[in-house]
Amino acid sequence: DQQVKQNSPSLSVQEGRISILNCDYTNSMFDYFLWYKKYPAEGPTFLISISSIKDKNEDGRFTVFLNKSAKHLSLHIVPSQPGDSAVYFCAATIKNSGGSNYKLTFGKGTLLTVNP
Amino acid sequence: NAGVTQTPKFRILKIGQSMTLQCTQDMNHNYMYWYRQDPGMGLKLIYYSVGAGITDKGEVPNGYNVSRSTTEDFPLRLELAAPSQTSVYFCAGSPPRNSGANYGYTFGSGTRLTVV
Repeated sequence: DQQVKQNSPSLSVQEGRISILNCDYTNSMFDYFLWYKKYPAEGPTFLISISSIKDKNEDGRFTVFLNKSAKHLSLHIVPSQPGDSAVYFCAATIKNSGGSNYKLTFGKGTLLTVNP
Repeated sequence: NAGVTQTPKFRILKIGQSMTLQCTQDMNHNYMYWYRQDPGMGLKLIYYSVGAGITDKGEVPNGYNVSRSTTEDFPLRLELAAPSQTSVYFCAGSPPRNSGANYGYTFGSGTRLTVV
């Protein structure tokens, strides 16, 4: 049972336009969400995160929106650049579980291609 | 600052062989993780550790073993390699949840393993 779903395996956009990557989750206990970016032959790198107490977090060209009622989050990249071409993973965790560690549950990823 | 280092980068094993995937971090992270990524799939947690001497199973632990004798090292052992273990393996480290950090993992660059 997939708790974090990225239903679009791929997305193609033109340079300078907006890229919107979507993610849905089923576990209502998740309270912290992260986006990772992965280039071929490299490990994923942390991009941006958002706590469930917020509905938006912005970092430069990257903005993550969270809609808790819909159990949906999205990553917006504006403007998109060719160097943004990569696989983007959505991840979720229960940060306030009371334990001393946390585990991330990942989606399958979306391959973003930004065309010059 | 090397971060999280994985060796080897590539390996081909024959069915039934054994090997150890090495992972070393110099970030003084208490928490370390092993994930595998199959084509078109997200990252699935194999094992994790919250500190030296403490390990626990993740989502897909069968066929693997781990140890954590030091904070820096978290090797993953495959005892009897099977074709189903063909995958890309990622090691990651993270700070404690109360450290004030963004809770993002730092990943290694991965080990691509093929079992034939």
